[in-house]
Amino acid sequence: EEQLLESGGGLVQPGGSLRLSCAASEFIFSFYGMTWVRQTPGKGLEWVSSISGSGVSTYYADSVKGRFTISRDNFNNILHLQMNSLKAEDTAVYYCAKDREAQPSYHMDVWGQGTTVTVSS
Amino acid sequence: DIQMTQSPSSVSAYVRDRVTITCRASQGIRNYLAWYQQKPGKAPKLLIYFASSLQSGVPSRFSGSGSGTDFTLTISSLQPEDFAIYYCQQTHTFPPTFGAGTKVEIK
Repeated sequence: EEQLLESGGGLVQPGGSLRLSCAASEFIFSFYGMTWVRQTPGKGLEWVSSISGSGVSTYYADSVKGRFTISRDNFNNILHLQMNSLKAEDTAVYYCAKDREAQPSYHMDVWGQGTTVTVSS
Repeated sequence: DIQMTQSPSSVSAYVRDRVTITCRASQGIRNYLAWYQQKPGKAPKLLIYFASSLQSGVPSRFSGSGSGTDFTLTISSLQPEDFAIYYCQQTHTFPPTFGAGTKVEIK
C-alpha cells in the first residue's frame, strides 16, 4: 500500500524556521509530483507548494513564496518543506500528498497523516 | 484566484438516502474539478477527479458531474461510513483552490 509519513512539525516562534519531511513508500517516488497542503479551522484546505517528479519544477502559493522551499530526494524517497520566516498565520496541519502524475496535476491520490506546525511566542 | 463555493455547508440525511452536493467556480474551469472526503482527524481522500472520473477503490455509489462552473457530487445511497466533510477543488487555473466543505451528518 502506498504510504506517506510526515515528520518535523512542532512549536516555533514567529520568525523562526522549521523543516518538514515526508517519507514515501510502496510506489516509485520519482514518477510522481508531490505537494504540500495545509489545513486550518479558519481557512480550510490551502495548497502550499508542489514539485515535479524530477524535482526540476517547483510551484508555490503567493502566501509562502520566498519563505518556503520545497525539495525532494529521489534516492531516499523523501519530500521536504523548508519553512523560514514563519508567521502566526502559517499555523496549520501540514499534509504531504502524492500527485497522480509526474508533472503536478494537483489531483492528490495519496496523503500522509499530517504534521502540526504551531507558530507562537 | 478562483473561488470555489460549495452548497449546502451542511446536510443531514438518513442511511440509504441520495445526497447531492454542489460546487460552483467563480470562472470556468472546464472539467478540472476534484472531490475529496475527509473524516475527523484524518487526511482528505480523493474520490473523483476530472469532474467525473472515479478514483480507484472508491465505491460506485459516488459519482460526479458538471463542466464549466457548476458541478455536483452525488452519493446514490448514503452509507454509515460516508458521514464526513466533502471538499471540491479546482485544478484548472494556478493556484489550485478548494471549497470550504460540505458536512454530511446523520439525521
